[in-house]
Amino acid sequence: AQSVAQPEDQVNVAEGNPLTVKCTYSVSGNPYLFWYVQYPNRGLQFLLKYITGDNLVKGSYGFEAEFNKSQTSFHLKKPSALVSDSALYFCAVRDTLYSTLTFGKGTMLLVSP
Amino acid sequence: GAGVSQSPSNKVTEKGKDVELRCDPISGHTALYWYRQSLGQGLEFLIYFQGNSAPDKSGLPSDRFSAERTGGSVSTLTIQRTQQEDSAVYLCASSFRSRIDRDNSPLHFGNGTRLTVT
Repeated sequence: AQSVAQPEDQVNVAEGNPLTVKCTYSVSGNPYLFWYVQYPNRGLQFLLKYITGDNLVKGSYGFEAEFNKSQTSFHLKKPSALVSDSALYFCAVRDTLYSTLTFGKGTMLLVSP
Repeated sequence: GAGVSQSPSNKVTEKGKDVELRCDPISGHTALYWYRQSLGQGLEFLIYFQGNSAPDKSGLPSDRFSAERTGGSVSTLTIQRTQQEDSAVYLCASSFRSRIDRDNSPLHFGNGTRLTVT
């Protein structure tokens, strides 16, 4: 079985400060990990993915995420938040044994001016 | 280019009625997914089509739910005898299963169909 947990329903951060959105996963095999973002009244968009190789992956809009196998985590980060980053963020995992993605419940990121 | 198109964008139906939701994937995308998004529930996997393979129906919540994909392109999700708990946003996504990325190609989502069962 595969599952993903996003422990925070909401994250609040001031513009210009660093942000972290947390994600932990559980898989039987090896994980493939993804972050998607949903802006208000828009569809989900792909941000970044970890498949193999370097544990730090970089994606769109200045976001990055760090894969930590020992902690089974894949936290999303950005050094300096923008108000326009305010959106709903979803972490997703695919076990090598499966073909489908399992998504977390999402974390609402609110960046204040 | 054109993205994933879903219709209708909104659907209000009475409890007990059947509904059909349509998804037009990006041309050339062999993989097609249906997810359901409810408040506080995140994205719930429903069904997955990949080329000519048998679909993965493991996420369908009951036998009232079914889906077809005709000609490897357009897909229809059908909910029979709708219940109030079926109210949600139904999202369709497609991806191109490249030789390199295989099942790890990014998903391209439509804007969804908001279903309200009264």
